[in-house]
Amino acid sequence: DAKTTQPNSMESNEEEPVHLPCNHSTISGTDYIHWYRQLPSQGPEYVIHGLTSNVNNRMASLAIAEDRKSSTLILHRATLRDAAVYYCILRDSGGSNYKLTFGKGTLLTVNP
Amino acid sequence: DVKVTQSSRYLVKRTGEKVFLECVQDMDHENMFWYRQDPGLGLRLIYFSYDVKMKEKGDIPEGYSVSREKKERFSLILESASTNQTSMYLCASSPPTPGKGGYTFGSGTRLTVV
Repeated sequence: DAKTTQPNSMESNEEEPVHLPCNHSTISGTDYIHWYRQLPSQGPEYVIHGLTSNVNNRMASLAIAEDRKSSTLILHRATLRDAAVYYCILRDSGGSNYKLTFGKGTLLTVNP
Repeated sequence: DVKVTQSSRYLVKRTGEKVFLECVQDMDHENMFWYRQDPGLGLRLIYFSYDVKMKEKGDIPEGYSVSREKKERFSLILESASTNQTSMYLCASSPPTPGKGGYTFGSGTRLTVV
């Protein structure tokens, strides 16, 4: 899987929007952008994924840059339950695409 | 609600014991995975399977084996448990291609080897 770069940590206030950035300058045309989060003492949880277009679901929105070299996970109104480590991962849709390789992610702190 | 179920939440075993960690998914996913997670080292892939009776080594397979006799079940086996295998073990399943969706993880098994 191609490499991604995320800030080590970010802080937000409750009920405010949060924009979590991810850089993936070496992304290939067949790489999907996947986001996961891991709450304390739990397994990772799938959040959202996309290829080229922006995506929305009940948990979050994913904004993908036009050149696909970066993306942003948007939590529209942060809650205390959103405090977690967020991982941005690229998954190739061709070849050996079974593995999901986790980096260190971004630790999001949400202040009440 | 779709689910990946791991047989135990907490487990304590003695050094040298043979340990079985069981994982069952109800999503008819082709792919299944075993990871371990340790502080400072993150999640590391032990083994994965993309079909029944098929298995591939991940990044840290030493000391482990796996079994997938049925599509919904993927077992991790510690042949002779050692203290350095004390860890959180996470099972996951996924559709065959990344465009079809993400991984679903179980809640994890915290294994302590004494």
